[in-house]
Amino acid sequence: NAGVTQTPKFQVLKTGQSMTLQCAQDMNHEYMSWYRQDPGMGLRLIHYSVGAGITDQGEVPNGYNVSRSTTEDFPLRLLSAAPSQTSVYFCASSRRLAGGPYNEQFFGPGTRLTVL
Amino acid sequence: RKEVEQDPGPFNVPEGATVAFNCTYSNSASQSFFWYRQDCRKEPKLLMSVYSSGNEDGRFTAQLNRASQYISLLIRDSKLSDSATYLCVVNNDYKLSFGAGTTVTVRA
Repeated sequence: NAGVTQTPKFQVLKTGQSMTLQCAQDMNHEYMSWYRQDPGMGLRLIHYSVGAGITDQGEVPNGYNVSRSTTEDFPLRLLSAAPSQTSVYFCASSRRLAGGPYNEQFFGPGTRLTVL
Repeated sequence: RKEVEQDPGPFNVPEGATVAFNCTYSNSASQSFFWYRQDCRKEPKLLMSVYSSGNEDGRFTAQLNRASQYISLLIRDSKLSDSATYLCVVNNDYKLSFGAGTTVTVRA
């Protein structure tokens, strides 16, 4: 059981380049999400998905796209990288308890992205 | 106003001491509450859920005060291995809001 995996671990981009951060989970979790973490600001929700084919915006969605074609995968696409997107990106997944909010979030190891 | 606010610390305590800190949240309709632990910019990991009646897990005690909209975490008999950043997390209908974290350093 690998849990939540993310690739790449590190990435350097030039302004204007695009790329996709990969996230996969093998726990059959319905809920998946992407966060960015910046110093002094905590984790901020970018996009989330409650199941295959369903995605929604979080707190800071601008400049990012997501899709959820399978339960396992939830890639995050940077359309045109900007220095303000330099951050650590975490993907997470969880089950949803019947009739209530979800429980423990399982996080991937993170992707450290630098945009020059 | 941020949805979740925490005292950033750092709290620097000797081994064996008790340390406690709070977090406040702004949305009175928040449904569930958690404390996560994060080491050196690694991924956050669940420390404990916070229940309305308060709950303990070994040396850790969490309390929830819905009327005043705050959550607390108390660590008894601190160990060197408790040194970490503790994240307060609030769930609002599929969206988790994270505090910026409280840093605790336990010294020998």
